Amino acid sequence: GENVEQHPSTLSVQEGDSAVIKCTYSDSASNYFPWYKQELGKGPQLIIDIRSNVGEKKDQRIAVTLNKTAKHFSLHITETQPEDSAVYFCAALGPLNNAGNMLTFGGGTRLMVKP
Amino acid sequence: SAVISQKPSRDICQRGTSLTIQCQVDSQVTMMFWYRQQPGQSLTLIATANQGSEATYESGFVIDKFPISRPNLTFSTLTVSNMSPEDSSIYLCSVDRRGGAGQYFGPGTRLTVL
Repeated sequence: GENVEQHPSTLSVQEGDSAVIKCTYSDSASNYFPWYKQELGKGPQLIIDIRSNVGEKKDQRIAVTLNKTAKHFSLHITETQPEDSAVYFCAALGPLNNAGNMLTFGGGTRLMVKP
Repeated sequence: SAVISQKPSRDICQRGTSLTIQCQVDSQVTMMFWYRQQPGQSLTLIATANQGSEATYESGFVIDKFPISRPNLTFSTLTVSNMSPEDSSIYLCSVDRRGGAGQYFGPGTRLTVL
C-alpha cells in the first residue's frame, strides 16, 4: 500500500522566516496531495491541496510543490507568524480500498514560530 | 467545506465500558470516515462508514471492537467497545464530498480510559 514519509518531525523558525516541510510517497498512482494544519485540541484543517496534473499551487503565504517523478511534495510557508504554530500533516490519496479511496497521512511536523 | 460536529468532545471512561461517539454533518455527504489519533501521533483510518450497509474496516480494526452505524447521509456513530487504557486517543470523523479528494475533519473526541 501507500507509504508517506514526512520531514522534519519538528521545525522551529523565527517569526518572519520561511518554513518548508517535505513529504515523499511510494505509490506512483497517487494523484491528490492535501496538507492539514492541526492546532492544539482541534481537528485537522485542510489548508491547501494539489493534484498530480499541476506542479505548484499558491494561496497567499502558503504554497505547495509537487515533483511526480521524484514522488515528493512540499509545503512552503512564507513570512511565518506565531499563529502558524501547529502540527502539519501531509497526505496522499493512495490505492483503492474496499470502499473506494483512502488518504494515507505522513507522521506530522510540529512547527513552532518564535516571536 | 462542511460543518461537522462531534459529541462528546471529550470523556473519561472506566476500563471495560463502551462509549458511542456521534458525528453530525450540516449537509448530505457521500463518504464518512472514522480515524484514530493516538497521543502525539498521526491519523490512522479505522473504517469507512457506508450508508445503508456495513462499514468497511481497515487492517487491524474489527467490527466487534469498533461498531459503526450510518443511518443516513448526514450522521454516523462510532462505538469503542470494552475499552482499555490503550484505547485512549482522539477519535475523528471526516467527510468527503468529492469522491476521494477534499476530506474535512470534525473537531474530534478526546477519550481517556482509566
